Amino acid sequence: AQTVTQSQPEMSVQEAETVTLSCTYDTSENNYYLFWYKQPPSRQMILVIRQEAYKQQNATENRFSVNFQKAAKSFSLKISDSQLGDTAMYFCAYNTGGFKTIFGAGTRLFVKA
Amino acid sequence: EPEVTQTPSHQVTQMGQEVILRCVPISNHLYFYWYRQILGQKVEFLVSFYNNEISEKSEIFDDQFSVERPDGSNFTLKIRSTKLEDSAMYFCASSEGQGSRGYTFGSGTRLTVV
Repeated sequence: AQTVTQSQPEMSVQEAETVTLSCTYDTSENNYYLFWYKQPPSRQMILVIRQEAYKQQNATENRFSVNFQKAAKSFSLKISDSQLGDTAMYFCAYNTGGFKTIFGAGTRLFVKA
Repeated sequence: EPEVTQTPSHQVTQMGQEVILRCVPISNHLYFYWYRQILGQKVEFLVSFYNNEISEKSEIFDDQFSVERPDGSNFTLKIRSTKLEDSAMYFCASSEGQGSRGYTFGSGTRLTVV
């Protein structure tokens, strides 16, 4: 069965610093998609970044980038130049291209002024 | 920016009652989903809906639950005979294609069963 594990329940970072959130997953599939979603205190989840497993190049979206290690089944999120508005719950998620997406338990990130 | 709209934002119901949670997905999206998040726990898949029928459902989605797209815009989740353990945040989501490109989520409905 596919699983997604986020081993850091909570993290904090100083404003303007860089932080990395960890995610590992388990799958026997060769092709799949990985995501990071942000859930601010208002509770609406927003897609931050997406990675296709068949692409070796790591995805980037402005201050957000991933380190995708397919062999290690690792998919970490790096947030550069952290801002107060980055304070949120971050969910790592996995989809095979089908109907169901599997989410990790989440990492609560606090950005301190 | 197109949005997924959910109503109500908070629903309190007596145990044993039926509730209907409503969602308006993004208009050109074809795939619709319900997820739930029990406080402090994982976001869990309930059901996906495509072409006017359920395309996949989880073990959680038993006979107590049903979904419907009654018209061209609304997508509803009905929970019959609610139980205390149904208390959770329920999220609707939609996507243009299947889940490979990610979803657009609504703001959620907090369901409290008392």
